[in-house]
Amino acid sequence: EPEVTQTPSHQVTQMGQEVILRCVPISNHLYFYWYRQILGQKVEFLVSFYNNEISEKSEIFDDQFSVERPDGSNFTLKIRSTKLEDSAMYFCASSEFKRDYNSPLHFGNGTRLTVT
Amino acid sequence: KNEVEQSPQNLTAQEGEFITINCSYSVGISALHWLQQHPGGGIVSLFMLSSGKKKHGRLIATINIQEKHSSLHITASHPRDSAVYICAVRKWGGGADGLTFGKGTHLIIQP
Repeated sequence: EPEVTQTPSHQVTQMGQEVILRCVPISNHLYFYWYRQILGQKVEFLVSFYNNEISEKSEIFDDQFSVERPDGSNFTLKIRSTKLEDSAMYFCASSEFKRDYNSPLHFGNGTRLTVT
Repeated sequence: KNEVEQSPQNLTAQEGEFITINCSYSVGISALHWLQQHPGGGIVSLFMLSSGKKKHGRLIATINIQEKHSSLHITASHPRDSAVYICAVRKWGGGADGLTFGKGTHLIIQP
């Protein structure tokens, strides 16, 4: 069964550094998402992406964050200047369609980001 | 107040028991998801519901739109069902791409 893949599985970085988290969504999917989960807390929506542009973003997704689909397969999340509070598990997800009733979300296994 | 509430927060049961996890929400939704998060952190989609009931193997999910309530049932529970079960909703209306998540129910099935 096709799956969403994320790399790396664990990233350690120093405060103030830039990080890029990478995702390869399922190939025929059109909608892409980033979510994050701070340790011990619930999962939170960051951003959705469709047709090479941001469709929706949450309050968390400030100017420090950006997303890109640099080629036909990768979908990246960049954090420009990491803060301690950016430490979390970041999940990429994709879906074939936007409307739920025909299109479940497929999640990657996540990238655990640790900012020191 | 959280828009999605789950109960119980923690549940420990014996192998073979029938398990029920509840989810209540306070907003209008277009769909509700049940997700499973394994100890390693990965998230798997179990069900997506907009009405009625769905069944997959030993798992059953129901939703009552009028009461804004959904349940996830596990029949003949097994230790491998131990995980965090998360309810998430997609709200109606514009700007509703992202799911809104509950805090999850931590389930432990003892042999």
